[in-house]
Amino acid sequence: KNQVEQSPQSLIILEGKNCTLQCNYTVSPFSNLRWYKQDTGRGPVSLTIMTFSENTKSNGRYTATLDADTKQSSLHITASQLSDSASYICVVSGKTSGSRLTFGEGTQLTVNP
Amino acid sequence: DSGVTQTPKHLITATGQRVTLRCSPRSGDLSVYWYQQSLDQGLQFLIQYYNGEERAKGNILERFSAQQFPDLHSELNLSSLELGDSALYFCASSAPGLATTGELFFGEGSRLTVL
Repeated sequence: KNQVEQSPQSLIILEGKNCTLQCNYTVSPFSNLRWYKQDTGRGPVSLTIMTFSENTKSNGRYTATLDADTKQSSLHITASQLSDSASYICVVSGKTSGSRLTFGEGTQLTVNP
Repeated sequence: DSGVTQTPKHLITATGQRVTLRCSPRSGDLSVYWYQQSLDQGLQFLIQYYNGEERAKGNILERFSAQQFPDLHSELNLSSLELGDSALYFCASSAPGLATTGELFFGEGSRLTVL
């Protein structure tokens, strides 16, 4: 069964600090991995999409890494801001026809002043 | 603004009732997806339509149904509502032919409260 597991479940950091969120998946064969940011009560917004051949991708202060061999991804947030407080969701897509997106449960990040 | 429009934003109704949620995808997107997100839970895939045809089905209850119309807007019908159906319902759309390889754009959701 395709699964996506994220850790930690929740994280509290101080404004200005860096943090790293983890995503492990079992989806195979693998097509792409996405990170979404979801503010409370809002729709998820895409941060990055990475294919099998990409190891790292940045979007401003967000940098995602992918190790397709170990089936792991991380999202690193640099110099956190209060507006970074949100749920960060890892989503993995399979390669076979009929594949659908497999969603992680998300990491709830709280950035405190 | 993702370009995906969902109405209504909020809906309060009673158990046993029926409601319809509406979604207009981004211009040009043929695929529409529906997701349910209960309080403090992850997104649960309900159903996908592609150019008017049902493409994939997830954990959608028999009390729920959906359709995609010729103008590509979609409706999610929820009937015989129960307290546990209270949730945020998200619609998402993706570009033609890129159902699992391309960008997925989410609407702002419809918050359903069943009393």
